Amino acid sequence: AQSVTQLGSHVSVSEGALVLLRCNYSSSVPPYLFWYVQYPNQGLQLLLKYTSAATLVKGINGFEAEFKKSETSFHLTKPSAHMSDAAEYFCAVRSSASKIIFGSGTRLSIRP
Amino acid sequence: DVKVTQSSRYLVKRTGEKVFLECVQDMDHENMFWYRQDPGLGLRLIYFSYDVKMKEKGDIPEGYSVSREKKERFSLILESASTNQTSMYLCASFAEPSYGYTFGSGTRLTVV
Repeated sequence: AQSVTQLGSHVSVSEGALVLLRCNYSSSVPPYLFWYVQYPNQGLQLLLKYTSAATLVKGINGFEAEFKKSETSFHLTKPSAHMSDAAEYFCAVRSSASKIIFGSGTRLSIRP
Repeated sequence: DVKVTQSSRYLVKRTGEKVFLECVQDMDHENMFWYRQDPGLGLRLIYFSYDVKMKEKGDIPEGYSVSREKKERFSLILESASTNQTSMYLCASFAEPSYGYTFGSGTRLTVV
């Protein structure tokens, strides 16, 4: 069965610092992997997706993620955090032809 | 742009009431989903639908039912609302899994 594990329910970084949000997946088939962002009182918005093309995936708002099969990881990074990046981030993996499984989320806080 | 619309952003209902949460998508997608989101638990799948009049139970269907009479509309029904159903409810749809889900803005339901 497919699953995702997000390491750290809460991450805090200073403005301008590197953002690293960790995600490990388990999948018995070549995975489709996703990162979503959720701002307060809103739905989830797709940040980026991996669909077996390039292993380094670029998304919106300066985020990117690298698919590492040997480590079964899909960590999300951003070189320089902005205050507007404060949100909750969800890693997700396709579990079947039509279902996606979400991680438990990581809340990102940005310190001035 | 793709759009998923949830009819209410905030709802307050009384225990025992029958509650309808409506979701409409304008993308002609076959697949639609209802999730609930609670702190520390991430997103949990309640029900999903592959097509009109078709429905499948997700991970936590107890206390809920759904209706899909038209392709664009997927309704979640709380037969007799209880306080433990206080939550954020998110609707999503997609047509092709490699592109991820499109989410609505969510309905924050409070049952008193």
